[in-house]
Amino acid sequence: GEDVEQSLFLSVREGDSSVINCTYTDSSSTYLYWYKQEPGAGLQLLTYIFSNMDMKQDQRLTVLLNKKDKHLSLRIADTQTGDSAIYFCAESLTGGSYIPTFGRGTSLIVHP
Amino acid sequence: KAGVTQTPRYLIKTRGQQVTLSCSPISGHRSVSWYQQTPGQGLQFLFEYFSETQRNKGNFPGRFSGRQFSNSRSEMNVSTLELGDSALYLCASSSLSAGNTEAFFGQGTRLTVV
Repeated sequence: GEDVEQSLFLSVREGDSSVINCTYTDSSSTYLYWYKQEPGAGLQLLTYIFSNMDMKQDQRLTVLLNKKDKHLSLRIADTQTGDSAIYFCAESLTGGSYIPTFGRGTSLIVHP
Repeated sequence: KAGVTQTPRYLIKTRGQQVTLSCSPISGHRSVSWYQQTPGQGLQFLFEYFSETQRNKGNFPGRFSGRQFSNSRSEMNVSTLELGDSALYLCASSSLSAGNTEAFFGQGTRLTVV
């Protein structure tokens, strides 16, 4: 099976909260990331969390990490149409080499 | 400072041809990684270069190769193109300095093999 799994689609109404979930398999993962990809663009790092943390908040974004269950989530408060994009979860190990393993991405569709 | 620059943005090639894609990392970044993105497989890691040396390699056939120059610019080459090589190829650069693991992605090169 895949190392990082995400659901493929999420549809929410503008103004609601979005929660994108991700599970990973490597318990030695040290860094966990959320990237955003808008149409025709590369990936933009939204936020990341170290494995020794269980929560990180940055404005409208909240990342929750359940290390025991290897579950990561990204909550976007007050979701806007501009948040429509593909969101990728990724994990990587330490060791000085940045080789993250990505999930397949979750397409977030925000409708009025 | 300028971001990661990938050229060309779009490319159309025929089966059997070869192609070279270029990536200029952010100034000062020494690590460059390449990814292939397709609807069916998602983001697949190709290889990573650091100081002109390939440090890591994904599970791709030998038709996929790369190199890095002394100024950290990187190229990847695909020989004997197949239809399945049609994809968005993304390059990411990273400084890998202490406490900084962020990778910055370019906009990608969209390769279509016909």
